[in-house]
Amino acid sequence: NAGVTQTPKFQVLKTGQSMTLQCAQDMNHEYMSWYRQDPGMGLRLIHYSVGAGITDQGEVPNGYNVSRSTTEDFPLRLLSAAPSQTSVYFCASSPLTGGNQPQHFGDGTRLSIL
Amino acid sequence: KQEVTQIPAALSVPEGENLVLNCSFTDSAIYNLQWFRQDPGKGLTSLLLIQSSQREQTSGRLNASLDKSSGRSTLYIAASQPGDSATYLCAAPNQAGTALIFGKGTTLSVSS
Repeated sequence: NAGVTQTPKFQVLKTGQSMTLQCAQDMNHEYMSWYRQDPGMGLRLIHYSVGAGITDQGEVPNGYNVSRSTTEDFPLRLLSAAPSQTSVYFCASSPLTGGNQPQHFGDGTRLSIL
Repeated sequence: KQEVTQIPAALSVPEGENLVLNCSFTDSAIYNLQWFRQDPGKGLTSLLLIQSSQREQTSGRLNASLDKSSGRSTLYIAASQPGDSATYLCAAPNQAGTALIFGKGTTLSVSS
């Protein structure tokens, strides 16, 4: 029973590099989202998706790109990494849009930008 | 715009004590509120989700209440144990229902 799986768990990048954080869920959930968690700031929504082919911006979308080609996968792309993107990134999913159902979270990706 | 606040930011109690964690929200037109637990270096685990039609939700030693009129929710932990040590987060949906707005959490330490 995998739930929400995020890879990699840890990553160090240099400023300007690009990379993709992977998120996959095996619960056939329509809704998926990406949050970042920073000390003193709490969790903030980056992007979300209510189904395959549908994505939208959250509170802090700048510097990130997403796509949703399948129900299972929702990758997050950093286009040109900046030190301000050093954070812990969480992917979440739920059966319905937003807060109607409990959200399931992955274990996170800890990203450092040098 | 929904804002969620949790107090206290940190709490230390001896084992066996009953305790209450507080959560307040600014937009009372919510249809549910969710409590999560986060262990160090881990993701979030959903503990309880209270629908707006409910006033309480219980799971084992945990009891969460919701008072929309006052914009408050509480998480009651009975007979606390060292294994309860973690950060507890509450979250309410935004107006569009497209995201959860999180408080900054209460970090609980239970000593044996």
